[in-house]
Amino acid sequence: EAGVAQSPRYKIIEKRQSVAFWCNPISGHATLYWYQQILGQGPKLLIQFQNNGVVDDSQLPKDRFSAERLKGVDSTLKIQPAKLEDSAVYLCASSSRNSPYEQYFGPGTRLTVT
Amino acid sequence: GENVEQHPSTLSVQEGDSAVIKCTYSDSASNYFPWYKQELGKRPQLIIDIRSNVGEKKDQRIAVTLNKTAKHFSLHITETQPEDSAVYFCAAPSGGGADGLTFGKGTHLIIQP
Repeated sequence: EAGVAQSPRYKIIEKRQSVAFWCNPISGHATLYWYQQILGQGPKLLIQFQNNGVVDDSQLPKDRFSAERLKGVDSTLKIQPAKLEDSAVYLCASSSRNSPYEQYFGPGTRLTVT
Repeated sequence: GENVEQHPSTLSVQEGDSAVIKCTYSDSASNYFPWYKQELGKRPQLIIDIRSNVGEKKDQRIAVTLNKTAKHFSLHITETQPEDSAVYFCAAPSGGGADGLTFGKGTHLIIQP
């Protein structure tokens, strides 16, 4: 079974630029999550999708972050404009409907904002 | 929302000794507690979890215990090996009807040869 895929793996941008990350969850997993992991900290949930609907985006900085999962499979997370404090690893995770808390993570995208 | 505290932040043990990492949570309604292992530059990997209807779960050298009354759970690793060196995170459901997890700040486990 293929795992969660993410791209790109690394991205370096200047502040005020925009960036987008892509995630493909484990086949058949209805639930998809985006987490932000700042160096030295645990992952922090940004947004949760159930199929193509948003379940929880309470911690998503909506003035600059947006995410979508139009067809209920792949998802994109966008930051516009980026700030220095957005430097982090952005992790995508997915889980099945039967075991929603058993979340499997992708390799992450390491974002550096200069 | 849920608040998860994790201790210690760094733990150094001799190879072959045991390691214990402890976490507390705030939401008494939480019913699922996973542990993730993250090696440097790698993704977090689920290594063991426990649900609120049991007090202990074991998988080879790894065990997790849960005390719902005190709202704390612990990871126990016995006969530690060099490949156990990593950062370990505990987590609990964030609550509010969603399935996202709230993570602790992590414990850097160092296995001394």
